[in-house]
Amino acid sequence: GAVVSQHPSWVICKSGTSVKIECRSLDFQATTMFWYRQFPKQSLMLMATSNEGSKATYEQGVEKDKFLINHASLTLSTLTVTSAHPEDSSFYICSAYSGEGEETQYFGPGTRLLVL
Amino acid sequence: RKEVEQDPGPFNVPEGATVAFNCTYSNSASQSFFWYRQDCRKEPKLLMSVYSSGNEDGRFTAQLNRASQYISLLIRDSKLSDSATYLCVVRNQGGKLIFGQGTELSVKP
Repeated sequence: GAVVSQHPSWVICKSGTSVKIECRSLDFQATTMFWYRQFPKQSLMLMATSNEGSKATYEQGVEKDKFLINHASLTLSTLTVTSAHPEDSSFYICSAYSGEGEETQYFGPGTRLLVL
Repeated sequence: RKEVEQDPGPFNVPEGATVAFNCTYSNSASQSFFWYRQDCRKEPKLLMSVYSSGNEDGRFTAQLNRASQYISLLIRDSKLSDSATYLCVVRNQGGKLIFGQGTELSVKP
């Protein structure tokens, strides 16, 4: 099946720093990628939909100035958590449709962020 | 009310047992339905899609009842490797995936 990668797989940072997470589709082109966040023992929550060449669409309650999304190419989307705080510590997961059919959405392995 | 609700867990069962998970969704216009499996500290992986006619994949059987907005997953002959969190997922009219909280399954020897 299609492969989606994320980098880094985990990051620990000090409060106030910014963290960039990359999401790549390795063997297909993704015009749309999705960013999710998952807190312990909770479900995945969609943060935003990333569209290649245009602005991301954010879900209600997600601050667009805090979670900057850039989808510069058909294989790369980045999420930058600006001025991270301990409450931003979470598991961030991206996903993309491979384009083979609407059923086929592949998830990246996730990035675990810990803000001290 | 959450858009997708699942049985609270955890489910602790012996190897070989049959276990059933239930899920309800609130949006009657939801279009597609899935069960995903998520292992600890990993990303979710598609287990199977769910169709109105019901579908089976080996030891796994999924059912959908659109009238009652209910989805189920049955696992027969549980294996140790089935231990994971099972996520009920619904695709809404806008194409977004809505995840349930998940039900944790622990299969013991």
